[in-house]
Parts: sequence; C-alpha cells; structure tokens
Amino acid sequence: EPEVTQTPSHQVTQMGQEVILRCVPISNHLYFYWYRQILGQKVEFLVSFYNNEISEKSEIFDDQFSVERPDGSNFTLKIRSTKLEDSAMYFCASRIQGTGYTFGSGTRLTVV
Amino acid sequence: GDSVTQMEGPVTLSEEAFLTINCTYTATGYPSLFWYVQYPGEGLQLLLKATKADDKGSNKGFEATYRKETTSFHLEKGSVQVSDSAVYFCALSEDDSWGKLQFGAGTQVVVTP
Repeated sequence: EPEVTQTPSHQVTQMGQEVILRCVPISNHLYFYWYRQILGQKVEFLVSFYNNEISEKSEIFDDQFSVERPDGSNFTLKIRSTKLEDSAMYFCASRIQGTGYTFGSGTRLTVV
Repeated sequence: GDSVTQMEGPVTLSEEAFLTINCTYTATGYPSLFWYVQYPGEGLQLLLKATKADDKGSNKGFEATYRKETTSFHLEKGSVQVSDSAVYFCALSEDDSWGKLQFGAGTQVVVTP
C-alpha cells in the first residue's frame, strides 16, 4: 500500500535555528498538507498546497513558516527561526480529490 | 467557525467491554466526518468515515453514524481488545476542494486484559 514518508522521525534543534522537515507524498496525489500536534493537544492544520501554491493556511502558519515542492516528489516545511513553542509532532499528508488523507508517521521536532 | 468536540479521556476499559466515544460538531455546511486513530508512536490512520447524513461508517468492528439532527458522530465498538488501546480523533472536513480537517482534542482509550 502506498505510503507518505517523512524524514527525519525525530529532530532536535536549537532555538533560533532553521529546520526543514521533509515529506514524500504518494506519487499520484495532488493535495498536500502539514499538520502539527503539540504534545497532549489536538492536531492542528497548518497549511494546504495544491498546484504549486498554498491554497489555505492557518493563523499558526506565519512568516516563519514556508512550504515548497522543489522537485515534484518532495514536499518540505521550513521553519526559519525555531522557537520553543514550535516543539511538536509534525504530520505531512496527501490526497487526491474525493479520497481521504494518507498521513505520514510524523516528525517529532524538539526545540531546545 | 467549524469545531469538533469529543469526550475527554482517558477512557479505561476491560477487554471485551463496550466502547463509546462521543463526538459532536458544529459546521456551517454539510461536512464529511471522520474518525482517526493514533497508536502509540505512530501517525494518524483513518478508521472510518461518513460523507452524508445517516451514513454509517464501519471498520475493524468500529461503527459511527452521521446524525445531522443531533450533529453527532459517536464511535462505538461492541467488544474491545487490548490492541484497540490508542488515541481516537473525531474530525470533519467542510470544504471538499481543499479538504482541510478540523480535529477534536482526541480521546485516549486504554484497554486492560
């Protein structure tokens, strides 16, 4: 069964550093998403991406965040200057219209 | 705006007990409704879904019925196993074009032998 692959599974970074979280969506999917889950809290929508542009973003997704699909297979989330409160599990997901999401297994980001 | 409210956990049950997790929603339109499950150390997996009123989603012995009149989508299983221990998330998707999911807070279920 096709999978969404996320790397790394765990990343530790120092406050103020840039971090890039990587995702390989399912190859024929067209819609891509990032969600995050702060420990013990609900899963929150960050951003959706379609046709090489952001289609929707949440209030969380401020200027410190960016997404990119650099080569037609990867889908990345960049945080320019990490803060302690960015520590969370970040989930990538993809889908095609009319179907449900396939989520990756997540990247646990720890900002110290 | 749209929101999902689900019962707080943890819910602790003995094996073979009946499980119900309540979920209610508010939405301006006619959302699709989902239950996702997160096993320890893993990502989110779709458990079941329903896309219109009175639809019943089912999978792995779990069921949920889309009740428009009560804006609810309660999850049930008649006889739980230890392997059902996980966090369960109710979610809705209002806009099928982009499919953004709005999640509830999650309910941890612990099944003991």
